[in-house]
Amino acid sequence: AQTVTQSQPEMSVQEAETVTLSCTYDTSENNYYLFWYKQPPSRQMILVIRQEAYKQQNATENRFSVNFQKAAKSFSLKISDSQLGDTAMYFCAFAIRGSQGNLIFGKGTKLSVKP
Amino acid sequence: ETGVTQSPTHLIKTRGQQVTLRCSSQSGHNTVSWYQQALGQGPQFIFQYYREEENGRGNFPPRFSGLQFPNYSSELNVNALELDDSALYLCASSSGQGAVGYTFGSGTRLTVV
Repeated sequence: AQTVTQSQPEMSVQEAETVTLSCTYDTSENNYYLFWYKQPPSRQMILVIRQEAYKQQNATENRFSVNFQKAAKSFSLKISDSQLGDTAMYFCAFAIRGSQGNLIFGKGTKLSVKP
Repeated sequence: ETGVTQSPTHLIKTRGQQVTLRCSSQSGHNTVSWYQQALGQGPQFIFQYYREEENGRGNFPPRFSGLQFPNYSSELNVNALELDDSALYLCASSSGQGAVGYTFGSGTRLTVV
C-alpha cells in the first residue's frame, strides 16, 4: 500500500526566516508525481509545487523549493523568506502516473509564521 | 476563468438520511474528483468522473455514489449517513485523467448528528 508520512504535526517560523517541512512516502512504483499543497482557513487546497519522479532536478517555485531524494523516498519542502500569508496547513501528496486521479495525502503540518 | 465552486458550504444531516453535494468544475476542465477530509486528516480519494463515467474509485462503500453531467459539473450522493461521514468534502477538477493539474474547490462541511 502507498502511504505518505508527515512527521511534524506543527511548526512555527519567524517572518523572513526559512523553514523546512518533512515528508516521506512509501511505494513500489517507479513512475509517480509528488506534490505539496497548502490549505489556508478558506479550506481550498492550493498547489504549491510539483515534482515528477523521473526528474532528478529539484523543483523550484519562487520562494518554495523541494529536496527530492528518490532512493530515500523523501520529499521535503523549503520555504524561504517566510511571509505571514504562508500560515496554513501543508499537505504532502503522491500520485502514481495513470492512477485515475488518486492523490494520496499525508496528515499535514500546521505552519505558523510569526511576526 | 471561473474556478471550482461547491454547494452548499455547510450542511447538517441526521444519521440515516441521504445527502447530495454539488460541484461546478473550472472552465475547460472535463474531469472531476471527490475527496473526503476528516478532521485533522489529509483528504482521501472517493472517486473520479471522466466524460460522465466513473473511472477510478477509492476505498469507499457503494453508498457513496456520483454523477457527472454533460457540462462536466458533478454530484456526490451519500446514502444512509453515518456519524463517521462527518467531514469536509472537496471537489477537484482537471483537464485530463490522473491527479496532475487539479484545481480544488473550498469544500462542503457535512455534519451528521
